[in-house]
Amino acid sequence: EVQLQQSGAELVKPGASVKLSCKTSGYTFSNYYMSWLKQMPGQNIEWIGNIYGGNGGTGYNQKFKGKATLTVDKSSSTAYMDLSSLTSEDSAVYFCARGYPGIFAYWGQGTLVTVSS
Amino acid sequence: DVVLTQTPVSLSVTLGDQASISCRSSQSLEYSDGYTYLEWYLQKPGQSPQLLIYEVSNRFSGVPDRFIGSGSGTDFTLKISRVEPEDLGVYYCFQATHDPYTFGAGTKLELK
Repeated sequence: EVQLQQSGAELVKPGASVKLSCKTSGYTFSNYYMSWLKQMPGQNIEWIGNIYGGNGGTGYNQKFKGKATLTVDKSSSTAYMDLSSLTSEDSAVYFCARGYPGIFAYWGQGTLVTVSS
Repeated sequence: DVVLTQTPVSLSVTLGDQASISCRSSQSLEYSDGYTYLEWYLQKPGQSPQLLIYEVSNRFSGVPDRFIGSGSGTDFTLKISRVEPEDLGVYYCFQATHDPYTFGAGTKLELK
């Protein structure tokens, strides 16, 4: 069974950074892309970018370049997303989802990031 | 960026009714390979979105046949025949043809 388990909720101060994780199981990590998505409270979903599990190759939505950095650790079948210089606009639920550019067949449960002093 | 406009914003139905959601794109979603990368997702309260339809009309594994996707170019529709309680939530269309890939703003399906 394919599973994507995301890290827990984060409360971070403005200007700080945070690293979110997405640990996978049930499939060959290096054969698939992982995408990351953002959902602000009650709002639309945005595609942040993607990373290939095989070689760590990335693609980003221009809007999130400089904000998000995607990496993988093949040894633990885990994808990561670093978010930097956080502001209130970064407060949201962040999802990892297997697939690119679409067909997001499997999703993590989401990680709530709250940016507040 | 491609803008996907979903209508209606919310839809009140009686169980057993048919529901229809429209998704209109600011650009044609037909890719150079001839495929159209338009998908539909359902997000139930407190859950992650789940894939229903890909490439306009293909149901994902396990999705009941009461979900029917159709359309072409810039105009797409998701029909749900015989709405059941587990169908309630917010429906999103999503396009994976033009980078950056974008979602519609969602249509909330609720009970009348």
